[in-house]
Amino acid sequence: GQQVMQIPQYQHVQEGEDFTTYCNSSTTLSNIQWYKQRPGGHPVFLIQLVKSGEVKKQKRLTFQFGEAKKNSSLHITATQTTDVGTYFCAGGMDSNYQLIWGAGTKLIIKP
Amino acid sequence: GAGVSQSPSNKVTEKGKDVELRCDPISGHTALYWYRQSLGQGLEFLIYFQGNSAPDKSGLPSDRFSAERTGGSVSTLTIQRTQQEDSAVYLCASSLDGQGNYEQYFGPGTRLTVT
Repeated sequence: GQQVMQIPQYQHVQEGEDFTTYCNSSTTLSNIQWYKQRPGGHPVFLIQLVKSGEVKKQKRLTFQFGEAKKNSSLHITATQTTDVGTYFCAGGMDSNYQLIWGAGTKLIIKP
Repeated sequence: GAGVSQSPSNKVTEKGKDVELRCDPISGHTALYWYRQSLGQGLEFLIYFQGNSAPDKSGLPSDRFSAERTGGSVSTLTIQRTQQEDSAVYLCASSLDGQGNYEQYFGPGTRLTVT
């Protein structure tokens, strides 16, 4: 079936270091969405990418959608304690009402 | 405006009892999704509603799980004869439409503990 693989599962960084999470889909996506879930919270929508090769920025966060619309990445520059949480990608397909969710990457800031 | 609300926020029940979880989606959102999230895990899709219809119930883990949606709005997820493995956070989300092109707005979840 359709799958979105997300890596790594966990990433420990020192505050101020960069963080990247990657998603790969087995099929071409119509769009990819990114969500953040703070500890004890629920997923919150961050951004949606639709176009091949699209790059969007939100302050220290950079989101990319691959040329083939099968992969995506989220990069955080100079992490802060407020960035702690789990980041999920979710792929949408025109033929499917569901979003296909990645397993999430948990960002942990080392003290 | 109001977001997605869920009730109760926490539910502790004894094994074998039935429970009912409620979701109030954002007004005007035609699509509604139920997910389950075990501790430290990802999102497990349970069921999707478009309006009052549930085109896909394939994610429901067993026939002890059922869901309905009335008036294109409120949805309830019912778990009969609860088991300890049902313990998890149950999340509801709504979106403007059911195509996978729309972002989903999540409620705060119901934490279910089966003792």
